[in-house]
This record gives sequence, structure tokens and C-alpha cells, in this order.
Amino acid sequence: QKEVEQNSGPLSVPEGAIASLNCTYSDRGSQSFFWYRQYSGKSPELIMFIYSNGDKEDGRFTAQLNKASQYVSLLIRDSQPSDSATYLCAGGAARQLTFGSGTQLTVLP
Amino acid sequence: DGGITQSPKYLFRKEGQNVTLSCEQNLNHDAMYWYRQDPGQGLRLIYYSQIVNDFQKGDIAEGYSVSREKKESFPLTVTSAQKNPTAFYLCASSITEEAFFGQGTRLTVV
Repeated sequence: QKEVEQNSGPLSVPEGAIASLNCTYSDRGSQSFFWYRQYSGKSPELIMFIYSNGDKEDGRFTAQLNKASQYVSLLIRDSQPSDSATYLCAGGAARQLTFGSGTQLTVLP
Repeated sequence: DGGITQSPKYLFRKEGQNVTLSCEQNLNHDAMYWYRQDPGQGLRLIYYSQIVNDFQKGDIAEGYSVSREKKESFPLTVTSAQKNPTAFYLCASSITEEAFFGQGTRLTVV
């Protein structure tokens, strides 16, 4: 069974700090990985995707993928209170996504 | 505007009733999906369709049914056989694995 595991948190960081979110996956057939942000009561919105080993940066966000270790992470630099949300990690294969249970992040002003 | 529209936003179901959740997209995506989310949980796949007139069961299909008569539409029926239907239901569409979500329907059994 395909599994994506995340620390459920909650994770609290002070404003301006780096938030680090981690995810592991069991399906070595997964080729693509996605980070979604979900505010309470809202639908998930895509913030990052990564296909290749290494780092991918987009503004304050950096996604990291290590296929050998089956590990994906998301770093949020200069965290803002508006980043407070649940972050969902997902692995993709054959046009299907398997989601983790999410990590709840709170950025304290 | 291109996007995915789910309706209604809130839905209340009496015990023993079937209800249908609507999902329409104008993104010209081939694939469409239905997920269920319970409080504090991730998304679990109910059904998916990669082409018109074809759909496949996901991990938790029991008590649900779908149809895909048009590319733009993928309605989900929650039947009386689904014993615990209270949840947040999300419809998504995609071309590759990158999924785009509708705003969700919150279903409550009363």
C-alpha cells in the first residue's frame, strides 16, 4: 500500500524563523511530489512541486527531494503569520496522488 | 475564469437519503477525482476518472457512486449505504499528477 507519512505537529515557529516540514513515502514508483497548503475550512492550494533530486526554490519556499531516502521536505524562510495552515505532502504516480495527513504549522507573531 | 466549481458548499442529509454533490470544471482536464477529508486527516481517494465514460474506485469507494458522462462534469452520489458520510468532500482535476481543487462541499448527517 502506498503511504505518505508526515509529522502531524502541531509545529510552532516565531515570525521570521525557518519552518521545516518533512515527509517520507513508501512507493518507489512515485515520480513527483507536491506540497499543498490548506487553511482551516478551505480547499488545498498547490504551493510547490518537485520531480528531481535536490532542491527547488520559489520565493520563500524551498522543496527538497531525496529519492534514495524516500524523503521530501519543505522549508519556509522568513515565516509569516499568514503561513499558519496545514501543509499536505503528496506523492504522485500514474496520474494519482497519495496524500499524507498533513502538518499543522503556526507562526507566532 | 477557469476553474473547478463544487456545489453546494454545505449539504445536510437525513439518515437513509442519497445525496449528490456536483463538480464541474472548465480547465479541459481529462482526469477528475473525488476525495474525502475527515477532521485532522489527509485526503482519501473515493473515485477517479481519467476519461469520459470511465471511472475507477479509489481507496474508500464503498457507499459512493459516480458518473462521467461529460468531460466537464463528475458528480458524486453519497448513498444510504455510506454509514458515516459526515466529512469535507473535495473534487479535483488534473492533466498530469498536479491536482487543482474545487472549494469543497461540507456534508453533515442530521
